Order: sequence, then C-alpha cells, then structure tokens
Amino acid sequence: EPEVTQTPSHQVTQMGQEVILRCVPISNHLYFYWYRQILGQKVEFLVSFYNNEISEKSEIFDDQFSVERPDGSNFTLKIRSTKLEDSAMYFCASSATGVANEKLFFGSGTQLSVL
Amino acid sequence: AQSVTQLGSHVSVSEGALVLLRCNYSSSVPPYLFWYVQYPNQGLQLLLKYTTGATLVKGINGFEAEFKKSETSFHLTKPSAHMSDAAEYFCAVRTEGDGATNKLIFGTGTLLAVQP
Repeated sequence: EPEVTQTPSHQVTQMGQEVILRCVPISNHLYFYWYRQILGQKVEFLVSFYNNEISEKSEIFDDQFSVERPDGSNFTLKIRSTKLEDSAMYFCASSATGVANEKLFFGSGTQLSVL
Repeated sequence: AQSVTQLGSHVSVSEGALVLLRCNYSSSVPPYLFWYVQYPNQGLQLLLKYTTGATLVKGINGFEAEFKKSETSFHLTKPSAHMSDAAEYFCAVRTEGDGATNKLIFGTGTLLAVQP
C-alpha cells in the first residue's frame, strides 16, 4: 500500500526557534492535512490544504503556524516561534478526493519536543 | 459539533479473549465513523469505516464494528485477540452536508495490551 512519509521522526528544539516538519504525501492525492497529539490527549486537527491553499484550519492553527507545498511533492508545516506547549506528535495525512467518507492515509509522525 | 468519546484509555485482554473497545459519538447530522489503529512507530492505519448501509462493518485483521444509532455507539470488537493486536486504537467521526467539516474528529485513543 502507498505510504505517507514524514521527516524527521524526532525533532528537539529550543523554545522560540523555528521548526519545519516535512511530509511527502501519496503522489496522486490532492488533499493534505496536519494533525497533532499532545501526550495523553486527543489527536487534534490542525489544518487541511487543497489546491495550494488552506481549506480549513482549527483554532490551534494561529499565526505561528503555516503550511506550504513548495515543490509539488513535499508538504511542510512550519512553526515560527515554538512554545513549550507545541510539544506533541505531529501527523501528516493525505487523501485522494477530500470527500467525508474516504480513507485518510497517515504518516508515522514527527515527535516534536520543545525545551 | 461532532465529538467522540472512547471509554477506557487502557484495555488489557488475554490472548484468545474477546476484544471490545468502546466508542460513542455525538453528531447533529448522520456521521461517518472510523476506527484507526497505530502500531508502535507507525502511522495511523484505517481498520474499518461506517458510511451508509449495513450497520455491521468488517475490517482488517478480523475486527468489526457495529453502528448503533439509538445508542450513538460504534464499538470495535474482535472475537479472539492475538498478540499482534497490541496497539493504540482511535475512533473518529467525520460529516458532510451543511456545516460540513473537512476534518476527522478523534477520540483520545485506547491502548490495547494483549497478555500471553
């Protein structure tokens, strides 16, 4: 089965630093997502992206966050100035059509630790 | 707004025993319901989903779930646990139509341990 790949698997950064989390979605998919899971809490939606623009974002996704598909294959999540509370597992996902009943394909996640 | 509640953050069963992982949802419109599984160091994988039609849905690895509208539940079961079933299981809901959201709403997850 095709896979979504995420790099790095672990990222440690200092508070206030910028981080970029990278994802390679499945090649023929058109919809891209970021979710995160703070330890012990729910997996939370951050943002969805289609046709080179954000289609939906949560209240978590404030001005410190941005997403980009810079080269037609990678899909990145940037956190401009990290806070301690940004420490979480970040999951990238993609889907073919974006309809509500379709399967999302998830990557294995990037564990972000902000010190 | 949609939401999902998973009862039991940790469930432990013996190998060969019944697995029952509970999920209740809240949705003002007909939901699409999903179970995802996360094995160690892997991404979330779809186990099964309910969209429309038959309320008992079968998934991979012998798992099944039944959509019960009257109980707003979508519990996951497997008749006989295997050691390889040890993983974290997430229930999720998604909707379409007016007020549709593009996002999956997840529960907090249930970590399943299988004892030999």
